[in-house]
This record gives sequence, C-alpha cells and structure tokens, in this order.
Amino acid sequence: GQNIDQPTEMTATEGAIVQINCTYQTSGFNGLFWYQQHAGEAPTFLSYNVLDGLEEKGRFSSFLSRSKGYSYLLLKELQMKDSASYLCAVHGSSNTGKLIFGQGTTLQVKP
Amino acid sequence: ETGVTQTPRHLVMGMTNKKSLKCEQHLGHNAMYWYKQSAKKPLELMFVYNFKEQTENNSVPSRFSPECPNSSHLFLHLHTLQPEDSALYLCASSQDGAGGRTDTQYFGPGTRLTVL
Repeated sequence: GQNIDQPTEMTATEGAIVQINCTYQTSGFNGLFWYQQHAGEAPTFLSYNVLDGLEEKGRFSSFLSRSKGYSYLLLKELQMKDSASYLCAVHGSSNTGKLIFGQGTTLQVKP
Repeated sequence: ETGVTQTPRHLVMGMTNKKSLKCEQHLGHNAMYWYKQSAKKPLELMFVYNFKEQTENNSVPSRFSPECPNSSHLFLHLHTLQPEDSALYLCASSQDGAGGRTDTQYFGPGTRLTVL
C-alpha cells in the first residue's frame, strides 16, 4: 500500500532549529514535496526533492534518502510565524502528478 | 496570492440542499484537482482533470459531482450531502499532471463546508 508517516505535533522555541521527519512507502517514486499550511489558509509550496541529498533554501532545508524512504524538513532560526502545519507529499508514480500526503505535522513555536 | 481562487470561502448547507463550489486558476495550468481535508487526516485526493478530461476519481460518492468546462475553471457540485462530508475542500492546479518539479501543485484557500 501507499503510506506517508510524519509526527502529529512538535513544539520548538523561537530562534532554535527543528527537524520534521517524514517516512514513506509507495509503489513508485517521482519526487517528494514539503508544503506549509497556516490555519485556515492554502498549503504553500516549500521544497521539492527527487535526488538524494540536501536542498537548501534560506532558513529551510529539505533532505531525501530514497533508499531509506526518508525525508526531513529543517527549519533554522525559528520565528513565531513558522507556527503552522507542514505537509509531506510524494509523487507515487512516475507518470502522473498524483500526490500522496501525510497527515501533516503541526509545529508550535513558543517565545 | 497563489493564483488559485475558490468561492465561497465558507458554506453551510442542509442535507437536502444543492450547492456548488468554484475554483479558478490564473497560472496557465492544464491540470486541476479537488481534495478533501478533514481534521487529523491526510489530504484526500478526490478528482483530477488533465486538459479538461477527468483522469482520476478516487472512489468518491456520487453526491459529489465535478465539472471542468475549461482548463482554468473547476466546479464541485454538491447534493444530498451527509454531516460527515463537513470538511475543508481544497482546489489545486499544476502544469500538466505529469509529475516532477515542474508539476508542483498550487492550492487555493479552500471552502470550509459544514453540512447540518
């Protein structure tokens, strides 16, 4: 079957670093996405990984290991506005754009 | 502003009502999607349209009826819904539905639906 796992909730302190993990088991793989979703708003695209390794984009980085079916999103220098849900999603097939989503990780940043 | 708009933003309806949700994308994309988002559950893909043709129906009950008149507009027609259908309904669009980085999905803000 198709399965994406990520922690339900995390808490971190303003200015700190937090790592949100995602493991996946899918019949195929054509890339992994991270989205940020503030309460009551649209999910917004953060990052995409299809090759093993680290992709860095400002305060946010995303890592992928295809052999382990594992990814993480790293948020540095946390700010209060980073409090949101973070969604991990996989293109589970090589020829469609169909995304399989995890349930999302709700991150609360405290002062 | 993501370039994908949805109306209405909030909708309350009775189980015997008929209503429609509207989605419009201004990104020049050719693939559009409907998702259901319930609390504590992953986004559930409902329907996919590529170049106005439906390419995915994820075993959605017939009380949900999608319509895609052109690549920029997507509707979800609702009738005789159940209270358990209450959720956030999200629309998304992407380049061509073929997958990969260039096919990143961009989401609208959603319609919060409450069925009484």
